[in-house]
Amino acid sequence: AQSVTQLDSQVPVFEEAPVELRCNYSSSVSVYLFWYVQYPNQGLQLLLKYLSGSTLVKSINGFEAEFNKSQTSFHLRKPSVHISDTAEYFCAVSDRDTDKLIFGTGTRLQVFP
Amino acid sequence: KAGVTQTPRYLIKTRGQQVTLSCSPISGHRSVSWYQQTPGQGLQFLFEYFSETQRNKGNFPGRFSGRQFSNSRSEMNVSTLELGDSALYLCASSLRLSSTDTQYFGPGTRLTVL
Repeated sequence: AQSVTQLDSQVPVFEEAPVELRCNYSSSVSVYLFWYVQYPNQGLQLLLKYLSGSTLVKSINGFEAEFNKSQTSFHLRKPSVHISDTAEYFCAVSDRDTDKLIFGTGTRLQVFP
Repeated sequence: KAGVTQTPRYLIKTRGQQVTLSCSPISGHRSVSWYQQTPGQGLQFLFEYFSETQRNKGNFPGRFSGRQFSNSRSEMNVSTLELGDSALYLCASSLRLSSTDTQYFGPGTRLTVL
């Protein structure tokens, strides 16, 4: 069964600094990869996803993630964070066999002024 | 287009009681999934419904059940509540039953079991 590991439960960073949120999954066979963001007291929103094609995917608010098949990773990066990026970020994987979306335990990004 | 709505937003129950949570998907979406979110476990998949049929189920006891109506609205029921059932229950809808479809989440129902 698929599993997702987000090694960092919390990532504190100062505003305008770069950030990387790490995500590893258990198997690279026919997977689709997602990053969701959850702002306080809200549901999850899709940030970006990798289905096929270019291994680098980008969101409209400056985040990007790269699918690395050999390392079974899908790390999320942003070159310069803003206070408004403070939220919890969830990596998720689904596969063609089960259609289930399996989430990691989340990484809380805290941006300080 | 209205987003996914969940009612009620907050619930307080006592052990042994049962509870029903409701989810209205985005208009036109036919797939509804349910998740349990807790601080220690993150998001755990409960089940997914499509065209009134349960298509996928997570590893939860039989006390957790659900259904979907012909208008795609969905309910989940938890019977004989336990303290460990305290969590945020999230519903998500998507157009189709597909692992590539984006899921749109509601704000959740926060259940507290005393």
